[in-house]
Amino acid sequence: ETGVTQTPRHLVMGMTNKKSLKCEQHLGHNAMYWYKQSAKKPLELMFVYSLEERVENNSVPSRFSPECPNSSHLFLHLHTLQPEDSALYLCASSQVMGGPDTEAFFGQGTRLTVV
Amino acid sequence: AQRVTQPEKLLSVFKGAPVELKCNYSYSGSPELFWYVQYSRQRLQLLLRHISRESIKGFTADLNKGETSFHLKKPFAQEEDSAMYYCALSGRGGQRDSNYQLIWGAGTKLIIKP
Repeated sequence: ETGVTQTPRHLVMGMTNKKSLKCEQHLGHNAMYWYKQSAKKPLELMFVYSLEERVENNSVPSRFSPECPNSSHLFLHLHTLQPEDSALYLCASSQVMGGPDTEAFFGQGTRLTVV
Repeated sequence: AQRVTQPEKLLSVFKGAPVELKCNYSYSGSPELFWYVQYSRQRLQLLLRHISRESIKGFTADLNKGETSFHLKKPFAQEEDSAMYYCALSGRGGQRDSNYQLIWGAGTKLIIKP
């Protein structure tokens, strides 16, 4: 599949579990992002990576831990989550991180439910 | 503070009627504005950007700096326009002032009734 691919599409986990979300892009982009999309709330930017370096961490709790091993892959490691963390987690990439006309390409998201 | 406001969470219009999705922003510099769309069961994708000054799927949006608005308009709505629409602003900010970041509105759900 071309574009931005996220796996798994759906995930149900207990509060004591450890799981990881995966994002992959083959667009040659240098910037990757994690967003949280909750019902009735704006998109919340969680993390930004540019050239594999984390450049933004928007006050995200430590139970969310990102990892960017290379410019094509981005992970979000989850542990001891809370029910309020249930949401759609979106990964996006862009050619570069900055620039006024940067277009973000999104994956289809992982629907996470914490029980 | 940098902010994007979409005052309507839900907008419902009849097919063939004009559509206007409102977007207002607050930004101290010269912003770049975008509209993104998310159709049912599809990924969020760019619809149009103000610097392109183009019409996509019959939609247009004009940046009004005086009113700090970037409303999305279409003269005749079609059923396939039903979707979630997000207005976004690209501007400097974040943890490093040199970084650009996208600031998102809360979104407007557009429903086109037959």
